Amino acid sequence: EAGVTQFPSHSVIEKGQTVTLRCDPISGHDNLYWYRRVMGKEIKFLLHFVKESKQDESGMPNNRFLAERTGGTYSTLKVQPAELEDSGVYFCASSKPLAERPELFFGEGSRLTVL
Amino acid sequence: AQSVAQPEDQVNVAEGNPLTVKCTYSVSGNPYLFWYVQYPNRGLQFLLKYITGDNLVKGSYGFEAEFNKSQTSFHLKKPSALVSDSALYFCAVRRPAGTALIFGKGTTLSVSS
Repeated sequence: EAGVTQFPSHSVIEKGQTVTLRCDPISGHDNLYWYRRVMGKEIKFLLHFVKESKQDESGMPNNRFLAERTGGTYSTLKVQPAELEDSGVYFCASSKPLAERPELFFGEGSRLTVL
Repeated sequence: AQSVAQPEDQVNVAEGNPLTVKCTYSVSGNPYLFWYVQYPNRGLQFLLKYITGDNLVKGSYGFEAEFNKSQTSFHLKKPSALVSDSALYFCAVRRPAGTALIFGKGTTLSVSS
């Protein structure tokens, strides 16, 4: 069974540019999450999809971040325009219904460096 | 505010010795508790969880964790460390009715041969 895959693994952009991160969840997982770890700090929740619907986007830092999950399969996270403080590792995770199996399965992360 | 504390940035142990990675939390109610591990250049891997029941839970790679409700702690343990256990360990909690995991800052475990 393929795990959660994320692309790109590393992206280096300049301040003001746009970056789009992609996540392919484990097949059959309706729940998809985005998390972010800024250097040396805690991993922070960004948002949660159930299929194509946003269930909780309370962790999204501001309106420069846009997450989509068209068709309820893969998801994208766009940062536009990127700022220096957006640098960090963006993790995607997926899961079955949490009442059924409470643990999340994470991808390897996309490291974003904004210069 | 809800939070998870991992008081040690780094834990150093010799191979074959027991290891403990500490975690305490401040979350209302009876949260679900998790440990994840991140090996170099890899994603977060689930190790174990506590939902209810026996306070000592066993997980992958010989790890176990002890839940202590009165101390609000969930320390990760292993009786005999391996060099291959060297990695970054994260404690996380989730409220039963919620979906967001609250993570600690992580503890780097270094096992020397």
